[in-house]
Amino acid sequence: QVQLVQSGAEVKKPGSSVKVSCKASGGTFSNYAISWVRQAPGQGLEWMGRIIPIVGRANYAQKVPGRVTFTADKSTSTAYMELSSLRSEDTAVYYCAKDLSEGGTWEDIFDVWGQGTMVTVSS
Amino acid sequence: EIVMTQSPATLSVSPGERATLSCRASQSIISDLAWYQQKPGQALRLLIYGASTRATGIPARFSGSGSGTEFTLTISSLQSEDFAVYYCQQYSNWPLTFGGGTKVEIK
Repeated sequence: QVQLVQSGAEVKKPGSSVKVSCKASGGTFSNYAISWVRQAPGQGLEWMGRIIPIVGRANYAQKVPGRVTFTADKSTSTAYMELSSLRSEDTAVYYCAKDLSEGGTWEDIFDVWGQGTMVTVSS
Repeated sequence: EIVMTQSPATLSVSPGERATLSCRASQSIISDLAWYQQKPGQALRLLIYGASTRATGIPARFSGSGSGTEFTLTISSLQSEDFAVYYCQQYSNWPLTFGGGTKVEIK
């Protein structure tokens, strides 16, 4: 049973950075594609992009600011989302999610989700 | 970007009744549509993909239909654990996009 466990809630000042982790267990991390999705308070879901850990290739949604970076550490089966120059509008719950497909032809369907990490940006 | 529109925003249903949720795409996505369930404090759960294929472990009371631009999620007989927010998502084109959600509440 694959699980994704995310790091805890963060409160950050405007202009600072945050790095959210997403640790996978119960499966083969190298076979995954991990997407990041965010949800602002009271709003819907926004796909931010994904990373393929085995090759370290990241793709970002065009609407996502150039301030975001996805990385992955295969040795610890952990994916990371770092967002810099934080603004109040970055306040959201950030989710990682695993692609349904494993090992090459990605479906962009998410069968396992992390529990979410609340990031609050406030002075 | 493909815009996904869900209706209604809120659906009030009594336990045991049928719930029908709609999702419309701004252009054809063939059958590249998934449905998710979100409950407070819980991870999102994949229900349906390919517009009509139930994900592993999803009860048969959940069914999906549609193609092109119009899609439906039907919950045949609502159980207490089904009261939640439901989102549709298209994966036909990047960026992947979600609908605004339908909240299914107890009537």
